[in-house]
Amino acid sequence: AQKITQTQPGMFVQEKEAVTLDCTYDTSDPSYGLFWYKQPSSGEMIFLIYQGSYDQQNATEGRYSLNFQKARKSANLVISASQLGDSAMYFCAMREGFDNYGQNFVFGPGTRLSVLP
Amino acid sequence: EPEVTQTPSHQVTQMGQEVILRCVPISNHLYFYWYRQILGQKVEFLVSFYNNEISEKSEIFDDQFSVERPDGSNFTLKIRSTKLEDSAMYFCASSEAGGDNEQFFGPGTRLTVL
Repeated sequence: AQKITQTQPGMFVQEKEAVTLDCTYDTSDPSYGLFWYKQPSSGEMIFLIYQGSYDQQNATEGRYSLNFQKARKSANLVISASQLGDSAMYFCAMREGFDNYGQNFVFGPGTRLSVLP
Repeated sequence: EPEVTQTPSHQVTQMGQEVILRCVPISNHLYFYWYRQILGQKVEFLVSFYNNEISEKSEIFDDQFSVERPDGSNFTLKIRSTKLEDSAMYFCASSEAGGDNEQFFGPGTRLTVL
């Protein structure tokens, strides 16, 4: 079974509008972290935002916010006021467990966002 | 701002040859990772490394692969006897600690096996 599901292989949004990228996850571990990364065409992976399973409030970082619905196991990324430079691949990732040892990430298949002028 | 660096940016090799991909993690980070991304596909975990030993590895990380921290700064991924299907982007990442710390990714090395 897929641990991270991103159901939108591609999305289009008009410049200056908001867009929501979907992410659902599957875990039985009560401790986990959810991350969003952006991968532009140049290939690097850029960290955007993090949400911990015990965090009471939705994470926000500038124009990025995370709509965390724990009961539904969803962690959707909301980008407000889209810019042309937001066009990229977006990956949702999960880290299960919480201990002092590095935990690997499981990545979703990604959503390609295209911002239209 | 400190960053993870990787060399080379692009490596072309013949099938059956050995390659070593190099990474310099952020200096105060303790946890190191290798991921790969086959063109157009999702990022897949290969191995994590802590305290000079492998802490976790995926099914992809078979005997063909090995990792090493030969000195205080470098973290290498060796692929012995490369296969065509090893062609991918290989990302190194590091984190300050485990748990909820983000992983900082390097720019990647694109490996092409001919």
